[in-house]
Amino acid sequence: GAVVSQHPSWVICKSGTSVKIECRSLDFQATTMFWYRQFPKQSLMLMATSNEGSKATYEQGVEKDKFLINHASLTLSTLTVTSAHPEDSSFYICSATHIGQGTDTQYFGPGTRLTVL
Amino acid sequence: EDQVTQSPEALRLQEGESSSLNCSYTVSGLRGLFWYRQDPGKGPEFLFTLYSAGEEKEKERLKATLTKKESFLHITAPKPEDSATYLCAALSGSARQLTFGSGTQLTVLP
Repeated sequence: GAVVSQHPSWVICKSGTSVKIECRSLDFQATTMFWYRQFPKQSLMLMATSNEGSKATYEQGVEKDKFLINHASLTLSTLTVTSAHPEDSSFYICSATHIGQGTDTQYFGPGTRLTVL
Repeated sequence: EDQVTQSPEALRLQEGESSSLNCSYTVSGLRGLFWYRQDPGKGPEFLFTLYSAGEEKEKERLKATLTKKESFLHITAPKPEDSATYLCAALSGSARQLTFGSGTQLTVLP
């Protein structure tokens, strides 16, 4: 159980276009999902917390108008990179919080590799 | 401010050579200490959650332990397929997000 999927797994786009990445919790409901960015050989950098039915909470330095997050249901959150530029090229990973008996556990998706030409 | 520090940054072992990875944490009111495994180009895979000092959990060749200041991931008789980056993360107080360490890149040579 506790499977999280992401789609697409990789995407290549031209500079100036927008890209949407989907994150789904397949076998559980998640009121909270998280979006991370990861650069090569570095750890995860939290971008924002996605809350079902309400606005996302962005980390300091993350442009909310550039990285649009929508959490429309308990199993789906989307990240849209608007007007993408080469510096937005990165590995984007989502996670979904599974509420268990002990404590909440974040399960991660497989990631999406974004390349902006 | 919550902090999680992992050491070493990188570790190379011969197959069968047991070792330990360290995760030191400073958080207010630890609610859970998590270990994940990450392979290149993939998302982190959940391994363990530890809740209180003295707790231990095992999975195949991996055993995680927790004290009030540190967690260790012991790897017994590792195999090349254990090669990956191991991430430690802490969940504190009323926070909903994890504080991650920078990871230990483990390479097990055949």
